Amino acid sequence: DSGVTQTPKHLITATGQRVTLRCSPRSGDLSVYWYQQSLDQGLQFLIQYYNGEERAKGNILERFSAQQFPDLHSELNLSSLELGDSALYFCASSARLAADTQYFGPGTRLTVL
Amino acid sequence: GESVGLHLPTLSVQEGDNSIINCAYSNSASDYFIWYKQESGKGPQFIIDIRSNMDKRQGQRVTVLLNKTVKHLSLQIAATQPGDSAVYFCAENQAYSGAGSYQLTFGKGTKLSVIP
Repeated sequence: DSGVTQTPKHLITATGQRVTLRCSPRSGDLSVYWYQQSLDQGLQFLIQYYNGEERAKGNILERFSAQQFPDLHSELNLSSLELGDSALYFCASSARLAADTQYFGPGTRLTVL
Repeated sequence: GESVGLHLPTLSVQEGDNSIINCAYSNSASDYFIWYKQESGKGPQFIIDIRSNMDKRQGQRVTVLLNKTVKHLSLQIAATQPGDSAVYFCAENQAYSGAGSYQLTFGKGTKLSVIP
């Protein structure tokens, strides 16, 4: 158990809908990262927050957004969902902003029908 | 990144043998590297890391070797066990646009299958 929690574990929804994925980092970690893992793209970095502020952006679509709250939990919002958004979404956390080990949560499996 | 699943490079080893998983990284400026293990349906699990000022680092049954000259990482697993069966990823930690932030770029995954 990495100490990172994610909810829900599974999510099934329809195209065009909007969903919110939630992540709680390890106790004391200030940095939260979101990743998407699909069969044809591997593990792709989406976005990073540090102590409530966005600090890095990867291959994140404009239909996706995220935020980190004062209690350091984070939410990833996916809107206007398409079939191709079906994937595993992982959250990871690390203690600092610097080059640091990232610890991953168990993931949310999103299925868009 | 490489895909996870059917098109992954696969390494099959006999239980008790040593395993060596290789990884090429892309950025000569990367200064921190991590190996992760991912079992089916689970998140990547940290195994071992190494900083660029080292060539070798050992953990429990695992050793990571770093060759900066050819931008190559390897993970050695001693006395491989059935529980080691998983997909293994190397990741390089790269600075992000000078913002004082870093992001992980994952390399090709390798599927390790241990034959009992």
